[in-house]
Amino acid sequence: NAGVTQTPKFQVLKTGQSMTLQCAQDMNHNSMYWYRQDPGMGLRLIYYSASEGTTDKGEVPNGYNVSRLNKREFSLRLESAAPSQTSVYFCASSGSSGVYNEQFFGPGTRLTVL
Amino acid sequence: GENVEQHPSTLSVQEGDSAVIKCTYSDSASNYFPWYKQELGKGPQLIIDIRSNVGEKKDQRIAVTLNKTAKHFSLHITETQPEDSAVYFCAAPPESTGFQKLVFGTGTRLLVSP
Repeated sequence: NAGVTQTPKFQVLKTGQSMTLQCAQDMNHNSMYWYRQDPGMGLRLIYYSASEGTTDKGEVPNGYNVSRLNKREFSLRLESAAPSQTSVYFCASSGSSGVYNEQFFGPGTRLTVL
Repeated sequence: GENVEQHPSTLSVQEGDSAVIKCTYSDSASNYFPWYKQELGKGPQLIIDIRSNVGEKKDQRIAVTLNKTAKHFSLHITETQPEDSAVYFCAAPPESTGFQKLVFGTGTRLLVSP
């Protein structure tokens, strides 16, 4: 099993450009998450999907959109990138039931917006 | 909502010493407390967790203690080794999210010197 995969690993954008970060998991998990990680601020939740077809805002959703394409894939889109969105983005997934579910993280996408 | 505070932000120890990282949380209903380790260039990985009905849990050189009355929990690493060098995050799930999301602390960078 590959676990959680993310593409691309690195990306440089100019202000105003758009892009989509891709995430896929092969663990048959229902829940998927997008986080951003900034120095000194830990991991902050951008969006969450409890199951295919459902999404919910997290702590910092402004400037982002998400799509839960199917059970495996959860994409994050920046419609008009801003320098404040320079960050490392992590996708994660967790099991389908109960409240004590370990989250499995992907390797991250390092995004720079100039 | 849930607020998770983590201290210290950096911790330097000599190989063989013990390391302790502390977290406090605000939502008294939180019932699950995981610790994640993030190595350089990788996504976080769960290393140990504790549920609210247990006061302490050990796994070889690592242990977690929980004080629900005081709303704090700690990670203890004994006989530290250079490979323990990483960033460690604590987390807690708010009741307002149905315990489905995690709020992370801001992280502790642990450096173990040979």
